[in-house]
Amino acid sequence: AQSVAQPEDQVNVAEGNPLTVKCTYSVSGNPYLFWYVQYPNRGLQFLLKYITGDNLVKGSYGFEAEFNKSQTSFHLKKPSALVSDSALYFCAVRDDNSGYSTLTFGKGTMLLVSP
Amino acid sequence: IAGITQAPTSQILAAGRRMTLRCTQDMRHNAMYWYRQDLGLGLRLIHYSNTAGTTGKGEVPDGYSVSRANTDDFPLTLASAVPSQTSVYFCASRTGQGGYEQFFGPGTRLTVL
Repeated sequence: AQSVAQPEDQVNVAEGNPLTVKCTYSVSGNPYLFWYVQYPNRGLQFLLKYITGDNLVKGSYGFEAEFNKSQTSFHLKKPSALVSDSALYFCAVRDDNSGYSTLTFGKGTMLLVSP
Repeated sequence: IAGITQAPTSQILAAGRRMTLRCTQDMRHNAMYWYRQDLGLGLRLIHYSNTAGTTGKGEVPDGYSVSRANTDDFPLTLASAVPSQTSVYFCASRTGQGGYEQFFGPGTRLTVL
């Protein structure tokens, strides 16, 4: 089965500074990778995905992610953090099982942006 | 309706009671999913449906059942609730054609006492 790991439970950054939320993956074959954001008491919102092509993927709200095959990583980045970016972030990988295709999620990283 | 709706928003339930969580989507997506979210464990797949009329078990299916009578609705039933089923439940869907990103509902917070 495919898996992703988010090594940090929490990331703290000051507003205006660049942010990085880390994700590493373990897959057989080509990875399909995703980032989601969850604001308090809300469902998950899709941010961006990597299927193929450019290693730098741009998504919603100014976020981007860099796919690195040699390091098996897919880190989420933003050049200048906003307080409103504070939320729970999930990395996910497409997982093909017997009979269905779904997403396998990491445990999440809480991003806290201080004013 | 726009996207995915879930009902109820929250519920407190006595152990042993039967409960159905509702999920409706208006995007005509083929595939639908139920997850539970628990602190420190992320999201875990309970059941899925690739298309109307078919369902399957995910990672943590015990104690739950689903049905998919039509494209839009995908209810999740707890036949006899237990405290370990206290969680936040999310329904999701995707088109079933490429992309593979899923779209999520707002969730149902369930407490079993």
